[in-house]
Amino acid sequence: EDQVTQSPEALRLQEGESSSLNCSYTVSGLRGLFWYRQDPGKGPEFLFTLYSAGEEKEKERLKATLTKKESFLHITAPKPEDSATYLCAVQGSGGSYIPTFGRGTSLIVHP
Amino acid sequence: GAVVSQHPSWVICKSGTSVKIECRSLDFQATTMFWYRQFPKQSLMLMATSNEGSKATYEQGVEKDKFLINHASLTLSTLTVTSAHPEDSSFYICSARPSGSRASYEQYFGPGTRLTVT
Repeated sequence: EDQVTQSPEALRLQEGESSSLNCSYTVSGLRGLFWYRQDPGKGPEFLFTLYSAGEEKEKERLKATLTKKESFLHITAPKPEDSATYLCAVQGSGGSYIPTFGRGTSLIVHP
Repeated sequence: GAVVSQHPSWVICKSGTSVKIECRSLDFQATTMFWYRQFPKQSLMLMATSNEGSKATYEQGVEKDKFLINHASLTLSTLTVTSAHPEDSSFYICSARPSGSRASYEQYFGPGTRLTVT
């Protein structure tokens, strides 16, 4: 059974204070690891897909990296508008086409 | 690209009535769509997987007769909450997975529908 654990559950940062969110996973045959951003009262917004260890992707102040056991979402010099819940999900090759989601990290960036 | 819409964005209905929620992929075709439910400050809870042209697959504990799902085309899936009760009040979110190729493992979410049953 695929599993995803995100840490920390909640993170408070000062504007400009860089940090990282962690997504640890176990999966039989990784087909993709996905990061999403969710604002309160809205559906998750797709950010990145990572397919293999060593892969990195960037978008503005966000950079996602992947190893064989975990993924990090690095936030460089965050701004208050980066405040949101960040969700991680994995898709394995174990026969089910249903992705497994973590519980998310709630990020608050103070001005 | 990869835009998913939901309608309505919010709905209030009386106990005992039925409510239909539409999920559309606007700029891609989706063989598979997912329906989620989300309670305040909690993560997504998968309700069912909807495949175009076939019956939906429901997760354990989800009543298929209460939550009717129809995926009649490659761009539209509907969720009907039948005989709604106050405990069905929640935030319902759909997602769509593009058909074909490697990108088929990605899924794109709609903006969600807030259902309140009085």
